[in-house]
Amino acid sequence: QLQLQESGPGLVKPSETLSLTCTVSGGSISSSNYYWGWIRQPPGKGLEWIGSIQYSGSTYYNPSLKSRVTVSVDTSKDQFSLKLTSVTAADTAVYYCARHGAYCTGVTCYLRYFDSWGQGTLVTVSS
Amino acid sequence: DIVMTQSPDSLAVSLGERATINCKSSQSVLSSSKNKNYLGWYQQKPGQPPKLLISWASTRESGVPERFSGSGSGTDFTLTISSLQAEDVAVYYCQQCYSTPITFGQGTRLEIK
Repeated sequence: QLQLQESGPGLVKPSETLSLTCTVSGGSISSSNYYWGWIRQPPGKGLEWIGSIQYSGSTYYNPSLKSRVTVSVDTSKDQFSLKLTSVTAADTAVYYCARHGAYCTGVTCYLRYFDSWGQGTLVTVSS
Repeated sequence: DIVMTQSPDSLAVSLGERATINCKSSQSVLSSSKNKNYLGWYQQKPGQPPKLLISWASTRESGVPERFSGSGSGTDFTLTISSLQAEDVAVYYCQQCYSTPITFGQGTRLEIK
């Protein structure tokens, strides 16, 4: 049974970098049929897709965050990571990692639904 | 970006009654070449991550009760719970994957009347 687990600091200071890691167990991160993504949810609000990565390193980002986001993968550890720079209070949220399907043709991949999720981790941006 | 708008924002339904949640996309999420709608529905219970209920607008995921059904095409979609159970209390989200960025509706909170 696939499991995803987020880890990282729960408190980040304004203007600093938020760093989270997602560890995948019960399955391999190295499948061309899947991408691995980050989604966030501010307290009491809705869901926002941040970005996703395939084991190959191919990435897709939400343009609204692209200038501040880097998603990376470490296949040897079955982990992928999120870095979000220059954080403000508006970045306070529960951050989820998740797996989603992808259909790839040539060099282009089309991202699909999130079928497995981590439990989420609350990151608060405050001094 | 494709904007997803759900209605209503909240809904109270009696146990055993039908619940209907609507989702409208700002542009069509139907692929005419594949004849598929790139629309999914998620259920999020308090303190839990979202759970995928329905993909391709109407395909129930494995293990999802038959009382959950999805319909619609193009820009207008509906999630229906045919007979509301107490465990269905949750926030429901629609999501499009027709194009990036992937976007979600704002959510509909479903409660028991």
